Amino acid sequence: TQTVSQSDAHVTVFEGDSVELRCNYSYGGSIYLSWYIQHHGHGLQFLLKYYSGNPVVQGVNGFEAEFSKSDSSFHLRKASVHWSDSAVYFCAVSPWTGGYKVVFGSGTRLLVSP
Amino acid sequence: GPKVLQIPSHQIIDMGQMVTLNCDPVSNHLYFYWYKQILGQQMEFLVNFYNGKVMEKSKLFKDQFSVERPDGSYFTLKIQPTALEDSAVYFCASSSGQGSTEVFFGKGTRLTVV
Repeated sequence: TQTVSQSDAHVTVFEGDSVELRCNYSYGGSIYLSWYIQHHGHGLQFLLKYYSGNPVVQGVNGFEAEFSKSDSSFHLRKASVHWSDSAVYFCAVSPWTGGYKVVFGSGTRLLVSP
Repeated sequence: GPKVLQIPSHQIIDMGQMVTLNCDPVSNHLYFYWYKQILGQQMEFLVNFYNGKVMEKSKLFKDQFSVERPDGSYFTLKIQPTALEDSAVYFCASSSGQGSTEVFFGKGTRLTVV
């Protein structure tokens, strides 16, 4: 069984600050890791993914995430946030085999204050 | 980019009635999913579907739920009969399943059971 843990339910920062949203996972096999963003009242939008190679992956809008096998983590970062980055961010895992079921964490609500 | 379309965007239905949620997945995608999200909460996996069959379903996928995609038309989620606790936003998703974690989501159908 794969599990995804996002320890911070809410994160508040000021515009221009850097931010890190944390994600830890538990799964015995090979997985894909990804991040999605959900703006209020909308569906999910894909940000980035990792499955092999360079542990730091770049996504859209200046987001990047770093995979750590030793820590079982896949934290999302942005160097300088904008108010429009305010949204809920979901970390997700998906096994390499089978039906590619995507399992989401509980989400982190990011609020960027002007 | 590729879009998953969900029809209708809102549905209000009397408890005990049947409802069908329609999803038009991305063309040429092979894997289809339904997720349930109660307002402001986690995105919960319901079911995934491939080659005309349910591959995996969660405990939330009650006996009253069914999915199908007859002859490449809409991928549907049917709930019969509906219950008050079925009120939520239901998201359809699809993926190519070809080594990609990028699962494309629709904007959701908000179902209100009264």
